Amino acid sequence: DVKVTQSSRYLVKRTGEKVFLECVQDMDHENMFWYRQDPGLGLRLIYFSYDVKMKEKGDIPEGYSVSREKKERFSLILESASTNQTSMYLCASIVGGARREPQHFGDGTRLSIL
Amino acid sequence: AQTVTQSQPEMSVQEAETVTLSCTYDTSENNYYLFWYKQPPSRQMILVIRQEAYKQQNATENRFSVNFQKAAKSFSLKISDSQLGDTAMYFCAFMKGETSGSRLTFGEGTQLTVNP
Repeated sequence: DVKVTQSSRYLVKRTGEKVFLECVQDMDHENMFWYRQDPGLGLRLIYFSYDVKMKEKGDIPEGYSVSREKKERFSLILESASTNQTSMYLCASIVGGARREPQHFGDGTRLSIL
Repeated sequence: AQTVTQSQPEMSVQEAETVTLSCTYDTSENNYYLFWYKQPPSRQMILVIRQEAYKQQNATENRFSVNFQKAAKSFSLKISDSQLGDTAMYFCAFMKGETSGSRLTFGEGTQLTVNP
């Protein structure tokens, strides 16, 4: 069974801090995704990656960056955290090319920026 | 760009009854996939059911079934014999069929509460 693990379930940081959210998958999936979940807005795509060292902007990339140095790990970086980045962050992965397969999600990180 | 709309922010149903969640989408694509995901309070996103756009037959998974109307761009989820464990946020999602990356576009979500 696919396992997508997010490093923290809850995280509290201060405005201006550099924040790292980590995601690891154990199924050698090529594609990984970072979403942000807010009430009334559903899930919105921040960034995704097709392969190691490759990244693509999603719908709301402003204020975020990502890193994919190893296939199994996809990191989301808040360069200078702001209060409007308080949200739930979800990581997902899927094997490359299998578009009819579902994405597999982590349990989410609830991030609060004070 | 694709959009997905869920017009019911909240719904409730009595245990053992049937409920239908609505979803509409907008796309110029002809080949795509549609999904319903469930997110219980534990926050784990769970795939409920999927539909390939090229299939006319509506997908079913046990108590869950969809009404896929391609021309109307509608994809509703019917839950029969509702159970307390069905209480969750439900998301409708769209995926293009031709591009790489397999990114999903989600609707706003519908919070379903099953009452005893």
